[in-house]
Formats: sequence, structure tokens, C-alpha cells
Amino acid sequence: EAQVTQNPRYLITVTGKKLTVTCSQNMNHEYMSWYRQDPGLGLRQIYYSMNVEVTDKGDVPEGYKVSRKEKRNFPLILESPSPNQTSLYFCASSLFSSGRMEYEQYFGPGTRLTVT
Amino acid sequence: LAKTTQPISMDSYEGQEVNITCSHNNIATNDYITWYQQFPSQGPRFIIQGYKTKVTNEVASLFIPADRKSSTLSLPRVSLSDTAVYYCLVDRSSGYSTLTFGKGTMLLVSP
Repeated sequence: EAQVTQNPRYLITVTGKKLTVTCSQNMNHEYMSWYRQDPGLGLRQIYYSMNVEVTDKGDVPEGYKVSRKEKRNFPLILESPSPNQTSLYFCASSLFSSGRMEYEQYFGPGTRLTVT
Repeated sequence: LAKTTQPISMDSYEGQEVNITCSHNNIATNDYITWYQQFPSQGPRFIIQGYKTKVTNEVASLFIPADRKSSTLSLPRVSLSDTAVYYCLVDRSSGYSTLTFGKGTMLLVSP
């Protein structure tokens, strides 16, 4: 089954304790991205990657890191989490070929992060 | 990036047709228009995409006028399960890949 998986689904942590949220897709998609969703603010893109070893900032990258060492994985790293990073996080992937991104993005189930 | 403007919320009743309009005045020549649907605590789901005129699939229709400065998502005969947030996105078809979802339109369908 084609899917995007995220782990963990729920996480409660404390300020400053490094954490990683994993994202994996089994559709051989080139493009992957991370979003955060907060009440009243909609979905905002954090980082995206157009292929292995190619990443770039989205609209709200501060406080986050990503890496893309393999095509299927795109982990989101919070080196020193703060309470303002409490949010619902989504990973997504889509095809990107011939210079054009196929816009049907497939989203993961979400990770609800609470930083106290 | 072309900014989009949608109504914050809309109400409807089961069986009615719902039209959600999105304004994108500074859309660029290469931009496509894409709509997503999101249920609470789930990731968004692709509904439809178009460039001009009309696109129809098994779920919805997308109407885009000639000037492309707006688009309308049409949901025929909505049901309670169509209650969700609907996002309109406008972005380039190649290269630059930041996507902005905005706040979307909360559609509430009542019995």
C-alpha cells in the first residue's frame, strides 16, 4: 500500500531535549516536505526536499533541521525544542519529474508534539 | 508566490451543491491551481487540480475563468462526510517548490 508513515504519532517532551520525528514513503517520490499546523494559522511549510541531499527552507524553518540521505526518508530534527514548537506536524511526498512537480501530495498521519 | 484568499467558513445542507471560491489575483502564467481537503487530525488529501477552464473528476469540479484570477471548487450534492477544511493552492509547475496552504475554508454540512 502506497503510504507516508511518521513516527512517533504523539510525543510529549521537555524544553531543550533533542528529538527526531521520522518520515518515510514507499512511493519512490522525489519531493518530500514537512508542515506544521496550528489553530488559526493553517498549514505552514517548514522544509522541503526535491531529491536526495537537496533540501531548502519553507516558510517557517527556524528551530528545525532536516536531512535527506535516502530517497524514502526525510527526518525532522528539533535540536532544542521550545514550547512554541508545540504543534501538529505533517510529512508529505510527491513526484517530481521532468522539472515539474506532480501536485498530488500524499500526507502522513501527523505527529502531535507537545513541548513543556 | 501567488497569495490566495478564501472564505473562512461556509455552511450547507446535505444534498446541496457547494461552491467555494478562491481569489488569486497575482497568479503567474505557469501556476497551477490545486485544492485539498482536510479532516480533523488527518493530513490533507488532494481533490483536484487545474490550469484553465474546467476540470472534473469523480469528487469535484474546478472552474477557472479566462483571467485565472480566481477559481471555484464545486462539490455536487454534499453529504455530512464532506464537512472538512478545503485549501486552495496556487504554485508554479516547475522549479520553485515552496507550497503555501493558507488557512482554508471550513465547510460545515448539516442534516
